[in-house]
Amino acid sequence: EAGVAQSPRYKIIEKRQSVAFWCNPISGHATLYWYQQILGQGPKLLIQFQNNGVVDDSQLPKDRFSAERLKGVDSTLKIQPAKLEDSAVYLCASSFHSGNTEAFFGQGTRLTVV
Amino acid sequence: GENVEQHPSTLSVQEGDSAVIKCTYSDSASNYFPWYKQELGKGPQLIIDIRSNVGEKKDQRIAVTLNKTAKHFSLHITETQPEDSAVYFCAATTGNQFYFGTGTSLTVIP
Repeated sequence: EAGVAQSPRYKIIEKRQSVAFWCNPISGHATLYWYQQILGQGPKLLIQFQNNGVVDDSQLPKDRFSAERLKGVDSTLKIQPAKLEDSAVYLCASSFHSGNTEAFFGQGTRLTVV
Repeated sequence: GENVEQHPSTLSVQEGDSAVIKCTYSDSASNYFPWYKQELGKGPQLIIDIRSNVGEKKDQRIAVTLNKTAKHFSLHITETQPEDSAVYFCAATTGNQFYFGTGTSLTVIP
């Protein structure tokens, strides 16, 4: 079974630039999560999709972050414009359905904003 | 929302010894508690989980215990090996998003 795929693995941008991350969840998984993991901290949820609908985006900084999951499969997370404090690892995870089931994580995209 | 606290933040043990990591949660409605292992440069990987209707679960050298009354759960690793060295995260969920602890960096000294 293929895992959660993310790209790119690394990205370095200057502040005020824009950046996009891509995630392909495990086939058949209805729930998709984007997490932000700042160095030395646990993952923090940015947004959760159920199929192509948003379940929770309460912690997404909507003035600069946006995410979509067209057709309920792949997802993209965008930051525009980026700030220095956005430097983090962005993790995508998926699960068969939301709730108390295992979430599988991708390897993440390490973003450095300079 | 849920608040998950994890201790200790760092832990060093000799190879062959046991390691214990503890987490507390605040929301009594949380009903699923996974533990993840994260190696450098990789995403978190589930190593064991427990549901609220179970008090203990074991998988070879790894075990998890849950005390719903006290709202805490613990990860126990026995006979530690160098390859157990990683960052471990606990998490809790009421059925939607996962709330993660701040992580424990475990070092197993050969």
